[in-house]
Amino acid sequence: GNSVTQMEGPVTLSEEAFLTINCTYTATGYPSLFWYVQYPGEGLQLLLKATKADDKGSNKGFEATYRKETTSFHLEKGSVQVSDSAVYFCALSDRGGAAGNKLTFGGGTRVLVKP
Amino acid sequence: DTAVSQTPKYLVTQMGNDKSIKCEQNLGHDTMYWYKQDSKKFLKIMFSYNNKELIINETVPNRFSPKSPDKAHLNLHINSLELGDSAVYFCASSREVPGYEQYFGPGTRLTVT
Repeated sequence: GNSVTQMEGPVTLSEEAFLTINCTYTATGYPSLFWYVQYPGEGLQLLLKATKADDKGSNKGFEATYRKETTSFHLEKGSVQVSDSAVYFCALSDRGGAAGNKLTFGGGTRVLVKP
Repeated sequence: DTAVSQTPKYLVTQMGNDKSIKCEQNLGHDTMYWYKQDSKKFLKIMFSYNNKELIINETVPNRFSPKSPDKAHLNLHINSLELGDSAVYFCASSREVPGYEQYFGPGTRLTVT
């Protein structure tokens, strides 16, 4: 079956530091890949996505590139802010079929940015 | 204008009770989902409905019964609540397009005592 593995947290950084959260996946076929963010006490928000190999998703200064050869979708941000403190989830979606569009999530990585 | 809404936001109840959580989306999506997030933040799909028809049921105990009166609503009814049901339950919706992103509701925190 499908699976997503992401680095365990918590990741603690100072403001303006560089952030990388590693994510690798196992899937049959060609999944779509997503990063979702969950701020404290809130639901999940889509941060960015990529639907095919070599696509780069980007939003709010975050970027991730769909790497089929390494089955990875690492999230990066060049200069984090305190407001980026949240839990980040990597996820994949089968492209239809019997599995529908269900999302398979990684375990989440808590990021804490200190002033 | 909330895209995906859930009620209630918090639910505290005793073991053995029956409770329901409601979800509504105003995005015009065809597919809706229920996910469970445990205390370690791990998220797992429970159910998916497409145009009121069940398409995913992920080995969830049959005490959990989803109901979709129309494609904008997906409710979750839970019978005989157990301590292990304590979690945050998220509703989501998406278009019926392979790989399309899902939009999540704010979650319902269920605490069973």
